[in-house]
Amino acid sequence: DIQMTQSPSSLSASVGDRVTITCRASQDISKHLNWYQQKPGQAPRLLIYAASSLHSGVPSRFSGSGYGTDFILTISSLQPEDFAIYYCQESYSRLVTFGQGTKLDIK
Amino acid sequence: QITLKESGPTLVKPTQTLTLTCFFSGFSLSTSKVGVAWIRQPPGKAPEWLALIYWNDDKRYRPSLKSRLTITMDTFKNKVVLTMTNMDPVDTATYFCAHRASGGNSPYDYWGQGMLVTVSS
Repeated sequence: DIQMTQSPSSLSASVGDRVTITCRASQDISKHLNWYQQKPGQAPRLLIYAASSLHSGVPSRFSGSGYGTDFILTISSLQPEDFAIYYCQESYSRLVTFGQGTKLDIK
Repeated sequence: QITLKESGPTLVKPTQTLTLTCFFSGFSLSTSKVGVAWIRQPPGKAPEWLALIYWNDDKRYRPSLKSRLTITMDTFKNKVVLTMTNMDPVDTATYFCAHRASGGNSPYDYWGQGMLVTVSS
């Protein structure tokens, strides 16, 4: 099974900050990496697919990069509604494993 | 507009069988490469993929749970059903259904709101 490891596990930041979250796969997954945002009591929401493509309706302050085993989610200027948990997910294998999540909260 | 909504019991007893239904609209499971998956999330943990059914009735299961899971679809009624046998308290989780647009490596782009299922005697 592919293991997905996110860092950091938690992060405190302020409105307007630039934030990066890292996801590492235990094997080469090409570009098949997706990022989701989840707020309490809600379903995960797709932000980025295929490592760097922005899903419809997602603000352009979100961006993704990476290939192979190392990937990054960047939020260019944090907004109040961005405080949430972020998950990476590989769609290379049939199991589509999620990372353990990164909790982003207000400093 | 794609929407999905889960339906089923919120409380089941250990050893019982759980049956969950995903009602969807805005797409058809007759369309090539479209799929619907079930994904669960234990409280405070990451989501975990369970099963997937494609437009052509191709079915995939999480290997560790394969003996307990069955996924079926009703194309005409726009629903997908998941059954999980021999429920245990560790199966307590929020269960989501999710849409997959184009098979292969595509993401789960639309999700239902989820429903919390508690396993307890």
